[in-house]
Amino acid sequence: AQTVTQSQPEMSVQEAETVTLSCTYDTSESDYYLFWYKQPPSRQMILVIRQEAYKQQNATENRFSVNFQKAAKSFSLKISDSQLGDAAMYFCAYRSAVGGGSQGNLIFGKGTKLSVKP
Amino acid sequence: DVKVTQSSRYLVKRTGEKVFLECVQDMDHENMFWYRQDPGLGLRLIYFSYDVKMKEKGDIPEGYSVSREKKERFSLILESASTNQTSMYLCATRATGANTEAFFGQGTRLTVV
Repeated sequence: AQTVTQSQPEMSVQEAETVTLSCTYDTSESDYYLFWYKQPPSRQMILVIRQEAYKQQNATENRFSVNFQKAAKSFSLKISDSQLGDAAMYFCAYRSAVGGGSQGNLIFGKGTKLSVKP
Repeated sequence: DVKVTQSSRYLVKRTGEKVFLECVQDMDHENMFWYRQDPGLGLRLIYFSYDVKMKEKGDIPEGYSVSREKKERFSLILESASTNQTSMYLCATRATGANTEAFFGQGTRLTVV
């Protein structure tokens, strides 16, 4: 079974600085998707960025980028120029790219709470 | 934009009550999911449905059941609520296909007293 591990329960960053959130996963599959979701205090889970495992190029969305190391099974999120609105819980998630049924579900890590200091 | 609406943001129920949590989506997605979120545990899958009247157990189905009579609506049922079911419940939806993303409702914080 696949697992997702986020080893940092809490992180803190100064406004305008850069922070990196860690995520590792375990799988025997070669084709899958990886995601970072943000959950602000409003509780609405929002997709931040996703990465297809077959793509070697790291995904980027404005100030958010990932460092995807497939061999190491690592998928870290870098937030540049941190803003107060970035304060939230961040969840790393895995989804298989093959099959249906339960294989189509998201498997989540336990989350990292990010605080942004003004 | 995809809209996933959960019927309540906050709910307080008594032990032993039958509880219904409703989720409605407006994008004709085939797949719908119910997750439970607890501090330090992340999100855990309770049940999911990939079509009308179809359902499959997730990782923690004990004490829960689901109903999907119409494509847009997926209900989570607590047959006899217990205090250990006090939690945040999140509904999600996703279209069928490899490269599709999940969309979430705003969550229901259920307290069982």
